Amino acid sequence: DAGITQSPRYKITETGRQVTLMCHQTWSHSYMFWYRQDLGHGLRLIYYSAAADITDKGEVPDGYVVSRSKTENFPLTLESATRSQTSVYFCASSGLAVYEQYFGPGTRLTVT
Amino acid sequence: AQTVTQSQPEMSVQEAETVTLSCTYDTSESDYYLFWYKQPPSRQMILVIRQEAYKQQNATENRFSVNFQKAAKSFSLKISDSQLGDAAMYFCAYRSSNDMRFGAGTRLTVKP
Repeated sequence: DAGITQSPRYKITETGRQVTLMCHQTWSHSYMFWYRQDLGHGLRLIYYSAAADITDKGEVPDGYVVSRSKTENFPLTLESATRSQTSVYFCASSGLAVYEQYFGPGTRLTVT
Repeated sequence: AQTVTQSQPEMSVQEAETVTLSCTYDTSESDYYLFWYKQPPSRQMILVIRQEAYKQQNATENRFSVNFQKAAKSFSLKISDSQLGDAAMYFCAYRSSNDMRFGAGTRLTVKP
């Protein structure tokens, strides 16, 4: 089915571990985004990508790494997870000319 | 940096009544879009309505309408004939070509 998917949906990891959250979209949207959602902050932009091999920092990029070798995939890596990165992570995509974003179902990440 | 402020952490409305959620934003750009997203308990982010800054006419989608005051940088959402299914978190969002910001959200309760 067409859409945007995230995996895993739930993840528990330990402090210092590397973890990668996956995002895949089937619309061939140019733009993709990663957000984190924490109580009292709404959604905050971590990184975004305007096209394959083009990525830019958002509001809270520290501690995260992204890549985009293919248009449809936009993985987010926490190279050394910290407890402050416990959050719900959302991936989103949008077309070049259409500015609304379509969101994935989210990944709840807990760092112990 | 652009900011989005939702001054009402919680709102309540009686079923079939009308409620207005407030949002203000700060930007120096002239070309941008504004959105309202709904997040029910399922956590899925759902687009409710969008407004292009260059359009003077307020956007309307069925029972949802906005009051866009560009000079005042205000973008409120009016929900008419409220239904139980409208209960959710509502997020105001701003998007320009290189930035995306969300407000902290307003939790809407609908009383039967």
